[in-house]
Amino acid sequence: GQSLEQPSEVTAVEGAIVQMNCTYQTSGFYGLSWYQQHDGGAPTFLSYNALDGLEETGRFSSFLSRSDSYGYLLLQELQMKDSASYFCAVTNNAGNMLTFGGGTRLMVKP
Amino acid sequence: EPEVTQTPSHQVTQMGQEVILRCVPISNHLYFYWYRQILGQKVEFLVSFYNNEISEKSEIFDDQFSVERPDGSNFTLKIRSTKLEDSAMYFCAGGQATRDEQFFGPGTRLTVL
Repeated sequence: GQSLEQPSEVTAVEGAIVQMNCTYQTSGFYGLSWYQQHDGGAPTFLSYNALDGLEETGRFSSFLSRSDSYGYLLLQELQMKDSASYFCAVTNNAGNMLTFGGGTRLMVKP
Repeated sequence: EPEVTQTPSHQVTQMGQEVILRCVPISNHLYFYWYRQILGQKVEFLVSFYNNEISEKSEIFDDQFSVERPDGSNFTLKIRSTKLEDSAMYFCAGGQATRDEQFFGPGTRLTVL
């Protein structure tokens, strides 16, 4: 089976940098994705790592260490609109399902 | 920009009734998925579908659930006899390739009374 752990809540100030962690235990792992979900909205894809290291997309960066079963999402220059829940999700070996973590609720304050 | 659409946005039904949730994926997507999210909880995988076949399903996806792609554009999730615990937001998603990013629809909120 798969299990993913994320801190439940993080608070940060506008303009700051925030890191949201994800640790996973899986029976099959292909890659780690990050999705953003605003209240009442659908998950929206942010980033994906299949290999160790850092992937950067604008203000968002995602890191993966397969040996540590660990990843994180880094958000820079925080904006109020970044207030949302952020989910990490593991893609299984067959690539035909995503298993989501419990999500980290990010609150950005002025 | 193309989007995944889902209808209805909100469905209220009585326990024991059948419901069909509809999705229109992005036209060039080949892989299709259903997920559900109980209020305040994480997103849970239900089923994946490729080439007119189920490729993976979770323990949640029991005999009460079925999926179909009847006409090459719609992708449906049927719950034969709804239970109170089926109340959740149901998301359809699609992707161009396996292991690719998945594009989610806006969801259907199912309320079972």
